[in-house]
Amino acid sequence: DIVMTQSPDSLAVSLGERATINCKSSQTVLYSSNNKNYLAWYQQKPGQPPKLLIYWASTRESGVPDRFSGSGSGRDFTLTISSLQAEDVAIYYCQQYYTTPRTFGQGTKVEIK
Amino acid sequence: EVQLVESGGGLVQPGGSLRLSCAASGFTFSNYWMSWVRQAPGKGPEWVANIKQDGNEKYYVDSVKGRFTISRDNGKNSLYLQMNSLRVEDTAVYYCAKDGDMPLNWIDPWGPGTLVTVSS
Repeated sequence: DIVMTQSPDSLAVSLGERATINCKSSQTVLYSSNNKNYLAWYQQKPGQPPKLLIYWASTRESGVPDRFSGSGSGRDFTLTISSLQAEDVAIYYCQQYYTTPRTFGQGTKVEIK
Repeated sequence: EVQLVESGGGLVQPGGSLRLSCAASGFTFSNYWMSWVRQAPGKGPEWVANIKQDGNEKYYVDSVKGRFTISRDNGKNSLYLQMNSLRVEDTAVYYCAKDGDMPLNWIDPWGPGTLVTVSS
């Protein structure tokens, strides 16, 4: 199974400042035939199911604010919140869909400093 | 708007069985793979199983193989998860989720979930 490791486990950022979350996979999730990274990011608020933010490592889901961006390729990926808002307090998960079983990172909790 | 609503969760003793159901609406159910994903208290999500549009292909995470069975009824726009030989470690919120038109896809959206508690 592909193991997804996120860092840090938690971070506290001031309102309006940048938040950066890293995700590393135990093997590549870049499919060479189409040059696509099979990597998604989700946001989960308390008492709610995860919500899709980003797929193909960098494509924002419709309706997701443009302060959320994804980058990276191969095994190393980053989710960036360019200007943290109060409503962004949540746990963020990366997930690979390169192979079965699809696996998630352990999560990164984002709080307001 | 896509809607997924799970039901059937509850408290069950170790070794017991439970059948979860998911009612889907707002999209053409028969066109998509569907998944069950679970989340133990305080943990990250864990994909459990998915099923092809026609029900003829199914995949499971190793920890539930031989114990859980995913199925669907396209006429009723419904997804099911039969869970047998339940273990304490199966305790989690179970989410029904829409998959893509291929077996390997991001998972979106998810239903609100149903809690399964396995305890004596």
